[in-house]
Amino acid sequence: QSVLTQPPSASATPGQRVTISCSGGNSNIGSNTVSWFQQFPGTAPKLLIYNNDQRPSGVPDRFSGSKSGTSASLAISGLQSEDEAEYFCAAWDNNLMGLFGGGTKLTVL
Amino acid sequence: EVQLVQSGAEVKKPGESLKISCQASGYTFLNYWIAWVRQMPGRGLELMGIVYPADSDIKYSPSFQGLATISADSSITTAYLQWNSLKPSDTATYFCARLRYTIGWDFDHWGRGTPVTVSS
Repeated sequence: QSVLTQPPSASATPGQRVTISCSGGNSNIGSNTVSWFQQFPGTAPKLLIYNNDQRPSGVPDRFSGSKSGTSASLAISGLQSEDEAEYFCAAWDNNLMGLFGGGTKLTVL
Repeated sequence: EVQLVQSGAEVKKPGESLKISCQASGYTFLNYWIAWVRQMPGRGLELMGIVYPADSDIKYSPSFQGLATISADSSITTAYLQWNSLKPSDTATYFCARLRYTIGWDFDHWGRGTPVTVSS
């Protein structure tokens, strides 16, 4: 069981907005920044959001991140069929070790 | 362009040894930590440990201490993950990733992964 808790699944229809949550504790999300990754089956994870709310170059602005206290969220607006993937959150803890959430499989209905 | 090129898929028997690699290019290898991340079939991501090539400082996640060995060779900008005696439970895809620090840590570039199958 992961230290960072994500819902195992989420779904929405094209064009809608969907949010995925990531819940942790004071020693990880509460004290450090959060990243989000997108992974398609059989491929490597791709950095989607870093430092809670920053997008790397090339990531559409439909993807946004936020953090409050010991929780973080990834929002995807204007959902597209190609957004169907698994999404992972990550944060470091105060012992200088990285933690991942269990992942959320997003289905575009 | 930052690239992390991993070695190819492996099929091994229980008890065999294995060393997989991750060759970095496109940046100063010495200046960034490299992480190894495990993904078991149908499961999530797990950080195994990290290595800093400049001084070979290595940190293991508590769950992975003693299960595998991480190392790096800065002369060929390559990080390694090795096992002395594989178990079927080591069957997984192993990713290497570069660690970057801005105001926090993140895994900004990833290798494509090395699938490892351990079966008799």
